[in-house]
Amino acid sequence: DAGVIQSPRHEVTEMGQEVTLRCKPISGHNSLFWYRQTMMRGLELLIYFNNNVPIDDSGMPEDRFSAKMPNASFSTLKIQPSEPRDSAVYFCASSLEETQYFGPGTRLLVL
Amino acid sequence: DAKTTQPTSMDCAEGRAANLPCNHSTISGNEYVYWYRQIHSQGPQYIIHGLKNNETNEMASLIITEDRKSSTLILPHATLRDTAVYYCIVRVAAGGFKTIFGAGTRLFVKA
Repeated sequence: DAGVIQSPRHEVTEMGQEVTLRCKPISGHNSLFWYRQTMMRGLELLIYFNNNVPIDDSGMPEDRFSAKMPNASFSTLKIQPSEPRDSAVYFCASSLEETQYFGPGTRLLVL
Repeated sequence: DAKTTQPTSMDCAEGRAANLPCNHSTISGNEYVYWYRQIHSQGPQYIIHGLKNNETNEMASLIITEDRKSSTLILPHATLRDTAVYYCIVRVAAGGFKTIFGAGTRLFVKA
């Protein structure tokens, strides 16, 4: 099993640009989670899906952030427009039961 | 989910046992204790979890006190590669439930 796959691994963009992060969960898993990690705030849960349905998006910072899961094998996290304070490592995780498996993360730098 | 309290950092000599404590005095009867770790620049990795009995796997042992208000993660023979941030989390054991990560304990294994 390839594990959770995230792309791109690194992204550098300018303020105001749209950023799309992608995640492919482990096949057969029915829950998907998006996290953001910064030195100041640690690891924060942004949103999670169960059976492709968003269950809790209370961690999404503001309307500039949106997440979708059109099918069981793909999810996106979009930031539009991006700002320098969005710079962070974004992790995607998936689970079938109680254990979450994390991807390698996308390191985002907004200039 | 119940709140957990962990020391900010700990040191351990290579080859010795690393004992990482966690307090979770407000844990509910249906909440499990989970441990994850995050090695620098990687996504968090599941280690072990338990409800009230002690648990052991190939990575570590988990000792939960009888009143379930605290627990200890034990790495029996720490190696340099065990240097990481260790997160203690309490949550219900079911897929699709969000996991809240605290600040964790930064473990330094020294040669």
